Formats: sequence, structure tokens, C-alpha cells
Amino acid sequence: AQKVTQAQTEISVVEKEDVTLDCVYETRDTTYYLFWYKQPPSGELVFLIRRNSFDEQNEISGRYSWNFQKSTSSFNFTITASQVVDSAVYFCALRPISGGGADGLTFGKGTHLIIQP
Amino acid sequence: EPEVTQTPSHQVTQMGQEVILRCVPISNHLYFYWYRQILGQKVEFLVSFYNNEISEKSEIFDDQFSVERPDGSNFTLKIRSTKLEDSAMYFCASSEGFTTAKNIQYFGAGTRLSVL
Repeated sequence: AQKVTQAQTEISVVEKEDVTLDCVYETRDTTYYLFWYKQPPSGELVFLIRRNSFDEQNEISGRYSWNFQKSTSSFNFTITASQVVDSAVYFCALRPISGGGADGLTFGKGTHLIIQP
Repeated sequence: EPEVTQTPSHQVTQMGQEVILRCVPISNHLYFYWYRQILGQKVEFLVSFYNNEISEKSEIFDDQFSVERPDGSNFTLKIRSTKLEDSAMYFCASSEGFTTAKNIQYFGAGTRLSVL
């Protein structure tokens, strides 16, 4: 069984602050993918990033960065210098690699991020 | 930029009625998926579809649900006899393939189903 836990239900920060969204996962699979998706108020799910379990190199992309630590089963996401447009629900998700393309994603419950002007 | 298109954006139906939710996946994608999100809850996997058949399905996807790719572009989810608890946002997704370079699932904007 797989499980993704996002303990932070809601985070509110003032614009330009840095904010980190936590994600902890459980899986029996030895190889898997981890994802972050963003759901803005308009409702669609927007893909942000995917990491492979065998690649623990952390990544920075503009104002976004990701911290993957296999030892603690965590895949945290940081927004630097947050902006009002970053306000959304952010979902962490997990999928085994072994199933090919057919497996569905296991999502966490999401973190509602509110950026106040 | 190619996108997954879902229609309608909002569907209202009476309990016991059949509904069909429609999706047009990205044109060169081979894997298709349906997910649902009950209001305020997490997104849940329903079913995946490849090569004109169901590949995987969750325990949520019972006999009330069916999927079909009736032509080369559409992918549909049918709920035969809707229940109040089927009220949710239904997301369609597609991916190009199963290799690392191609297996990102791209989602549509969703169809909000309201069962009265």
C-alpha cells in the first residue's frame, strides 16, 4: 500500500516570504516517482515536478526548489520570495515505476497555500 | 500548448440517472486516466486505460462505472446510476507513454458532477 501525507492543511504567509510545503510518503516499492501538482482556484491540476527515487539530487527552478530525502521518505517543496499568484492547493503524489504507464497516482490531501499581499 | 479538454465543466443530474463525462486527451498520448476529488478531499485514482482496455482500476471503480474510447479522440467515463456520494470533481489525465521521459500525467480542468 502507498500513502502520501501532507501534514500542513493550510499555510498563510505574506508576499515575498519563503515557504516550504512538506510531504512524507510510504511505499513498499523500491523504485518510484514523486510529483508535485498545483491546483489554482480555477480548479485544474498543473504538473510542477517529478523526481525518480534513485535520483536524490535536489533541484532549483527559478523560485521553486525541491528537497528529496529518501532516508526520511520526504519530498519537500519550497517557494522562494512567494507571490500572490502562488496561492493554490499543492498536492504531493507518488507512483511506482514498476507498473509502467498504467498505475495511477497516489495523492496527499494537499496543502492550501495562501499568499497575502 | 496541447492540453486535456473535459466537457462539460459542470454537470447536474438527478440521483439514479446515468451520466457520461467526456475527455479529449492530448493527441499523441497513449495512456488515459480518470480521477475524482470529493469536495475538500484528496484526488483519488479511479482507472487507467491503454490500448483500448482497462489497465488498472481502484476499489472505487465498481460496476457502476465504465470507460470507453469511442473514437480516436474521446475518452469517456460513464456512471450508470448516480448516487449522492458520486458528487465530486472528476479529472481526466493522459500521458504519452511509460518511459521516464513520457510518463508525466497531464490533467484536464475537471468536470464538477452534482448529484441531487
